[in-house]
Amino acid sequence: AQSVTQPDIHITVSEGASLELRCNYSYGATPYLFWYVQSPGQGLQLLLKYFSGDTLVQGIKGFEAEFKRSQSSFNLRKPSVHWSDAAEYFCAVDVSANQAGTALIFGKGTTLSVSS
Amino acid sequence: DAGVIQSPRHEVTEMGQEVTLRCKPISGHNSLFWYRQTMMRGLELLIYFNNNVPIDDSGMPEDRFSAKMPNASFSTLKIQPSEPRDSAVYFCASSLGTGKVDTGELFFGEGSRLTVL
Repeated sequence: AQSVTQPDIHITVSEGASLELRCNYSYGATPYLFWYVQSPGQGLQLLLKYFSGDTLVQGIKGFEAEFKRSQSSFNLRKPSVHWSDAAEYFCAVDVSANQAGTALIFGKGTTLSVSS
Repeated sequence: DAGVIQSPRHEVTEMGQEVTLRCKPISGHNSLFWYRQTMMRGLELLIYFNNNVPIDDSGMPEDRFSAKMPNASFSTLKIQPSEPRDSAVYFCASSLGTGKVDTGELFFGEGSRLTVL
């Protein structure tokens, strides 16, 4: 069955330090992968997505992610974290296959805290 | 442009009562999704529609849950009767859903927080 695993429930990073959030997926076909961010009391916002091509994808707010098929991973990175990046981050895979539309399965999320 | 609009934002009800959550997707989007978020289970896809037709409802927990999309601009998620374990934040999201080339971005509403006592 398709699944997304985010091994880290909670991460604390100092402001200005680099960040890497891990994501592993299980999916039989070529995956379409996504990272979303959720601020408290808000819905989710797309950070970046991978469909095909270059395995390093750039997103909004200075985030990037690298798709590694051999490791079934799609880790999110940012070189220098800002206090405003504190939020919950979700990795997701599209499981709609050949059906119409896009249906995303989300990991359980990683909460990022930023210390000063 | 208005985003996805959900109502109510907060709902507190008693066990056994009927609950109806409402969603207005972004105009022009033809896919609509209902998700449930809890601490224990994270974000779960309950059901999604494309062009008002339910495509996959395998995530609907049980017969007490039902969803409809009578037209392109409105959807409801109904729980009857409600139970305390249904307490969660329910998100509606929409997307263009026109195919794999440009799909992928789901636009989420701010959620409906349901508390069943």
